[in-house]
Amino acid sequence: EPEVTQTPSHQVTQMGQEVILRCVPISNHLYFYWYRQILGQKVEFLVSFYNNEISEKSEIFDDQFSVERPDGSNFTLKIRSTKLEDSAMYFCASSEALGGRGEQYFGPGTRLTVT
Amino acid sequence: AQTVTQSQPEMSVQEAETVTLSCTYDTSESDYYLFWYKQPPSRQMILVIRQEAYKQQNATENRFSVNFQKAAKSFSLKISDSQLGDAAMYFCAYRDKAAGNKLTFGGGTRVLVKP
Repeated sequence: EPEVTQTPSHQVTQMGQEVILRCVPISNHLYFYWYRQILGQKVEFLVSFYNNEISEKSEIFDDQFSVERPDGSNFTLKIRSTKLEDSAMYFCASSEALGGRGEQYFGPGTRLTVT
Repeated sequence: AQTVTQSQPEMSVQEAETVTLSCTYDTSESDYYLFWYKQPPSRQMILVIRQEAYKQQNATENRFSVNFQKAAKSFSLKISDSQLGDAAMYFCAYRDKAAGNKLTFGGGTRVLVKP
């Protein structure tokens, strides 16, 4: 069964450093998402991406964040200058369609630890 | 803005018994989708069940069923014949049909299954 994959599973970085989190969505999916979950808190939407551009973003997704689909398979989330409060689990998701059932399939997540 | 509330931080159930998880949501929309996601210790988000708001019939997936009360904006999940593998965090989520594809999650309910 096709699945969303994410790398790395755990990333440790120092405050102020740039990190890139990588995702490979399901191959025939067209819509891509990033969510984050700070430990012990709810899962929060960051951004959705379609047709090589951001279709929606939350207030969390400020200028420190960017997303990119550099090739036909990868979808990345970049944090330019990490802060302690960026420590969280980051989930990538993809969906085949918008509307309809449009169910989102999630990857296993990347745990980001900022020290 | 839509909000999703799960009032039970933790629920405990004996193996083979039934447990019901509560979820309420707030929206001004009439057409939307509701989901329950399971997050086991591996942290991956797994879709358990979905409900379309315009469908009056409650969704069922094997041992999982929902009680969708649209007027009350309530969407509870019933797990029947609980198994040890059901132990996880369960998140209720809302998706607006008209305004993009982002999921809004509740705070989660931890389900403990006692052998």
